[in-house]
Amino acid sequence: QVQLQESGPGLVKPSQTLSLTCTVSGDSISKRDSYCSWIRQSAGKGLEWIGRIETAGSSSTNYNPSLQDRVTMSVDTSRKQFTLTLSSVTAADTAVYYCTRDLRVWVDWGRNLYYYYMDVWGKGTTVTVSS
Amino acid sequence: EIVMTQSPATLSVSPGERATLSCRASETIGTNVAWYQHKFGQAPRLLIYGASTRATGIAARFSAGGSGTEFTLTISSLQSEDFAVYYCQQHDDWSQVTFGQGTRLEMK
Repeated sequence: QVQLQESGPGLVKPSQTLSLTCTVSGDSISKRDSYCSWIRQSAGKGLEWIGRIETAGSSSTNYNPSLQDRVTMSVDTSRKQFTLTLSSVTAADTAVYYCTRDLRVWVDWGRNLYYYYMDVWGKGTTVTVSS
Repeated sequence: EIVMTQSPATLSVSPGERATLSCRASETIGTNVAWYQHKFGQAPRLLIYGASTRATGIAARFSAGGSGTEFTLTISSLQSEDFAVYYCQQHDDWSQVTFGQGTRLEMK
C-alpha cells in the first residue's frame, strides 16, 4: 500500500525559498502514467493545485500559472522522493501542503479519453511564512 | 482556466437523509471530474473519478453523475462520518487542474 509523507521546515521567512519533500513508501514511484502533485490549503480556503511532475520517463511538469514563476518540482527516483521548491515566499504562502499520487488511467487512447485522479494523499505539512 | 463552482457553500442535513451537492464547470469538460471528501485535520480522500465511478473502498451510498458542465454528488443516507467538506476537481485541462471552492456538509 502506497504511503506519502511530506516533510520540511514549518517556518520560513518572507522572501526566502520554501523546500518540501514528499517521501514514498510501499510501492515504486517509477510507474507509467503516475504523477505526483502538490496541493495546498490556506486557512479558511479551499484546495489549490500547485502543480504536478511525471514520476517516470521525462519527469515532465505542469505548474499552476499563478505560481509557475516561483515553483520548481523534481523527483529523485532512487530515494523515492519528490521535492517542491517555492521561491520568494510571502504570508500568502502560509498553508498546509499536501503531496499526492496521481494516476492517469486510459479509457481510449485514440480519443484521448482517460480517468485522472489523486488516489493517495500525504497527511500534509503546515508551513508558516513569518519573520 | 476552467472554474469549478460548487453549490451550496454549506448544506445542513440530518443523519439518515439524502444530500445532493452540485458542481458547475465554466466550460464543457466531458466527464473529467473527481470528487474528494476532506475532514478537518485529515488528508482529503478520493471518492469519485470519471464523474461517476466510485473509488476503491467507497461506500455505495455515495453516487455521482453528470457530464459537460453540470455534476452532482449524492449521499443517499447520511452517516455521522459523512459530515465534511466536499470538493469537485476537473482535469479536462491537463495543464491546470482546478478545484471547486468546496461544499461544507454539516449536521442539521
